[in-house]
Parts: sequence; C-alpha cells; structure tokens
Amino acid sequence: EIVLTQSPATLSLSPGERATLSCRASQSVAIYLAWYQQKPGQAPRLLIYHASNRATGIPARFSGSGSGTDFTLTISSLEPEDFAVYYCQHRSNWPPVFGQGTKLEIK
Amino acid sequence: EVQLVESGGGLVKPGGSLRLSCAASGFTFSIYSMNWVRQAPGKGLEWVSSISSTSIHIYHADSVKGRFTISRDNAKNSLYLQMNSLRAEDTAVYFCASSTVGQCNDGSCYADYWGQGTLVTVSS
Repeated sequence: EIVLTQSPATLSLSPGERATLSCRASQSVAIYLAWYQQKPGQAPRLLIYHASNRATGIPARFSGSGSGTDFTLTISSLEPEDFAVYYCQHRSNWPPVFGQGTKLEIK
Repeated sequence: EVQLVESGGGLVKPGGSLRLSCAASGFTFSIYSMNWVRQAPGKGLEWVSSISSTSIHIYHADSVKGRFTISRDNAKNSLYLQMNSLRAEDTAVYFCASSTVGQCNDGSCYADYWGQGTLVTVSS
C-alpha cells in the first residue's frame, strides 16, 4: 500500500500570504494525485486532480504541481475562507489512500 | 446541481449490522463509479469501498473486507453499504462520493462530489 506523507502538519499564515503544502508518496503515483479541502463539520471538497487540474469551480489561486513522488499545493494569496485542513490522495492503484492532512490556520 | 444524500446511520452494538443508503441526483448516476469514504471522530479520511458503474468491479478496504458490501441500484440512482459484524473502530462519519472526473484505476478514483455524511456509532 502506498503511503502519503504530508508536511507540515500545521501551517500558520496570515490572509494575503502564500501557502505551500507538500505531499510525498512512498512510491511513484505518476500524476494520479488529488488535493481536498475540508472545513469543520463539512464534507471534503475536491480542489485538484491529476496533480495540477483544478476541479470545477475552484478559484485560480489554488494550483497543484508535481509528479512521481513529490507534490505541492500552492495557494497564491490566502483568503479567510481558505483556512481549513487539506488532504492529498492518490488513485494510482487500490487502495486509494489519503495523507494525514495539513491544518492551515490563521496566524 | 449534484446532490448526494446519505441515510441509515445510527447507534449499533458491536457485532450488529446497519445498511447505509445514498440517494443521488443531478448527474447521470448510472455511468460513474461510486464510493464510500469514512472519517473517524477527529481523524483523517479512509477510503472504504468502490463500485464501478455496472457493479462489475467492486473493491473493499482490507479493514472492512468480508464484513461490508457495497452495492448500487442504477434504476433508483442509489448507492448502498451493508455493514455487518460492526466493531467499535468502525465508528465514523460515512460519506458517499461520486467519481465523475479523472477516470478510475482498479477501483482507485478521485471523489469529486460528496454527501454530507451519516454518523455510525458502534458502542455497547
């Protein structure tokens, strides 16, 4: 089973700043990686799939990059509504696995 | 507008059974894979089960294999999860999720639309 490790566990930033979140896979997942945002009491929301494709309705300030084992989610300028937990997930093979999450909190 | 509405959660004793349902609308349910993903209280996300559009391909996580069964009824636009031999560690919010983007590989998909979740609590 592929393991996804996210870093940092917690990221403290201010609105307007740039956020960079990392996801590392224990073996190559090619480009088959997604990013999700989850706010308290809500279901996750798909942000990025295939490493760099924005899902429907996702603002352009969210971007994804990477391939193989190293991936990055970048939020170019944080809005107040962006503070949440972010998960990466691969769909390279069964089982699809999520990372443990990065909590993005207001500094 | 895509809507996924789960139901069937509740409190059950260890060893008991529950059947979760998910009613889908707003998209062509019958042509997409569907999934169940769970989240234990205060924890991360765990992919539980996936089923292909025609139910030919079914996958379950090792943690639930032999106890849970995913199924669907395309005529009713509905997804189900039959959960037997429930354990305390199965306590979680269970989300129904569709996979309409990015295709799937061996049951491994992206989850693009999600329901609000239904809470399953296994406790004596």
